[in-house]
Amino acid sequence: GENVEQHPSTLSVQEGDSAVIKCTYSDSASNYFPWYKQELGKRPQLIIDIRSNVGEKKDQRIAVTLNKTAKHFSLHITETQPEDSAVYFCAASRGDDKIIFGKGTRLHILP
Amino acid sequence: DADVTQTPRNRITKTGKRIMLECSQTKGHDRMYWYRQDPGLGLRLIYYSFDVKDINKGEISDGYSVSRQAQAKFSLSLESAIPNQTALYFCATSDAGGPGETQYFGPGTRLLVL
Repeated sequence: GENVEQHPSTLSVQEGDSAVIKCTYSDSASNYFPWYKQELGKRPQLIIDIRSNVGEKKDQRIAVTLNKTAKHFSLHITETQPEDSAVYFCAASRGDDKIIFGKGTRLHILP
Repeated sequence: DADVTQTPRNRITKTGKRIMLECSQTKGHDRMYWYRQDPGLGLRLIYYSFDVKDINKGEISDGYSVSRQAQAKFSLSLESAIPNQTALYFCATSDAGGPGETQYFGPGTRLLVL
């Protein structure tokens, strides 16, 4: 079955700097890659996703890139702000199937 | 997201007890899921159901069972709770409208097994 590896497990960046979180997946049939954000004490919520027919997607300060050949995808957050502090989960799915999550990255935005 | 609710929100139980966690949704979604979250281990899928007559095991189903009573209700049972089942449990739903649908999570149930 699918296996999703996520790095780093913890990331600290200065406010205003960029943050990058990387994930790899094992199932070459996976074609849907969402990212969820979980603030402290809250439930996970979808922030951005990408399908395998595109290589990059942007939404304001966040972007996701996908390299299908290498089977890895990344989340990029630019101009980080205090409210970006959270746990971020990547995930992979065959699309019309269950999704498998990575172990999460705890992002700290330093003042 | 108030459309997905879980009860109870917190539960303390003893080893060997049977407990049930309940999930209800008003989103009209066909698909429902149960996950557990442990520090450093992310969200691991326990069971999932794509419609009322469909039940599937996830990554870590041992020690758990589920019941899909209706489209809107999906319950998770621990037949004989053990301490390593102490975790935060999330229910989630998604629409069956197409591939890659967003999952909507409930607020979570924090379970402590003594």
